[in-house]
Amino acid sequence: NAGVTQTPKFRILKIGQSMTLQCAQDMNHNYMYWYRQDPGMGLKLIYYSVGAGITDKGEVPNGYNVSRSTTEDFPLRLELAAPSQTSVYFCASNLQPPGGISYNSPLHFGNGTRLTVT
Amino acid sequence: GESVGLHLPTLSVQEGDNSIINCAYSNSASDYFIWYKQESGKGPQFIIDIRSNMDKRQGQRVTVLLNKTVKHLSLQIAATQPGDSAVYFCAEIVPGGAAGNKLTFGGGTRVLVKP
Repeated sequence: NAGVTQTPKFRILKIGQSMTLQCAQDMNHNYMYWYRQDPGMGLKLIYYSVGAGITDKGEVPNGYNVSRSTTEDFPLRLELAAPSQTSVYFCASNLQPPGGISYNSPLHFGNGTRLTVT
Repeated sequence: GESVGLHLPTLSVQEGDNSIINCAYSNSASDYFIWYKQESGKGPQFIIDIRSNMDKRQGQRVTVLLNKTVKHLSLQIAATQPGDSAVYFCAEIVPGGAAGNKLTFGGGTRVLVKP
């Protein structure tokens, strides 16, 4: 298993540009997540998905969109990039029973995408 | 790799010594806690977890202690090795009932192992 794969690893955007951060997992996990990590801060949840066709907002969703057309893929879209979106983005997944976070199913993270908006 | 935390608290440890990483949480309703390790250029990796009905749990070279009275969590690493150099995050889960459980990450501590 490759686990959680994120592409690209690095990207520089100009203000107002758009891009899609890709995330794929091959563990047949139903739950997938997007987090951002700013220097000195913990991970903040942007969006999450409990299964194909179902997504929901996390703590900091403004400026982002997601889709989940398959179990494996969970892309994150930035439509109008802003300097405040400069961050490291992590995708994660886990296998949860219905109803919430599994106490025995910790998150599996990708290696991140470092995004700079100038 | 990415600069995960430019202003993180840092713990410098001599190789072979024990490390203790601390984490304070604020929500007394949190009932599950997790420690993650993040190496430079990589995503966080699960280390160990503990339920709120326990006060201690041991893994391989790691021990997590939970003090619910003062809402404090610690991770102890025995015989610290160079490969233990990383940023360590604690995370807590607050049961949310119908709204779903909420997972919150702490800010992290950087551990530097000196040879």
